[in-house]
Amino acid sequence: DQQVKQNSPSLSVQEGRISILNCDYTNSMFDYFLWYKKYPAEGPTFLISISSIKDKNEDGRFTVFLNKSAKHLSLHIVPSQPGDSAVYFCAASADRGSTLGRLYFGRGTQLTVWP
Amino acid sequence: DGGITQSPKYLFRKEGQNVTLSCEQNLNHDAMYWYRQDPGQGLRLIYYSQIVNDFQKGDIAEGYSVSREKKESFPLTVTSAQKNPTAFYLCASQGALTYEQYFGPGTRLTVT
Repeated sequence: DQQVKQNSPSLSVQEGRISILNCDYTNSMFDYFLWYKKYPAEGPTFLISISSIKDKNEDGRFTVFLNKSAKHLSLHIVPSQPGDSAVYFCAASADRGSTLGRLYFGRGTQLTVWP
Repeated sequence: DGGITQSPKYLFRKEGQNVTLSCEQNLNHDAMYWYRQDPGQGLRLIYYSQIVNDFQKGDIAEGYSVSREKKESFPLTVTSAQKNPTAFYLCASQGALTYEQYFGPGTRLTVT
């Protein structure tokens, strides 16, 4: 049963515009959320994260928003660049009080940024 | 420099053969993980280990085995019992004070 869902397998955005990638979760015990970026034939790289005690975290062009009541988070990329074209994975952790817990990953969203 | 290494990058095996994928980290991380990526399936957890000489099954452990004899190493064996072994395998590690997992470059295993 998929506890972290990314319902859009792909997203296409023009360069300079905003990219919004969405993620929904079902487990109310999740208390920390992460976004990873992955290029083909490479390992994912950590992008940005947010704790459940916050509703927004920003790092340069990347902002993650968390809506706990809706069990929904989103990643905003502004402005989008061609180098942002990759698969983006949403992940969640449920091990309260311990960071050494497994992460639950969504299936990913392929972002394509065109000139 | 610190990081996670996986070898080899590409691996080819005949059906019925066991194969071991290597994962080494020099980040002094306590926890290590093995994932499998298939098209449209995202990252699925095979096994993980939070401490030396201990490991837990993930969501798709059948047909796989692991060992954690050293903190730095977490090899994965794909046995002949794994029905669909062809996939991209990713190893990750995680330190005690952070939620972020750091991934290796992956191994593409092809079984024919």
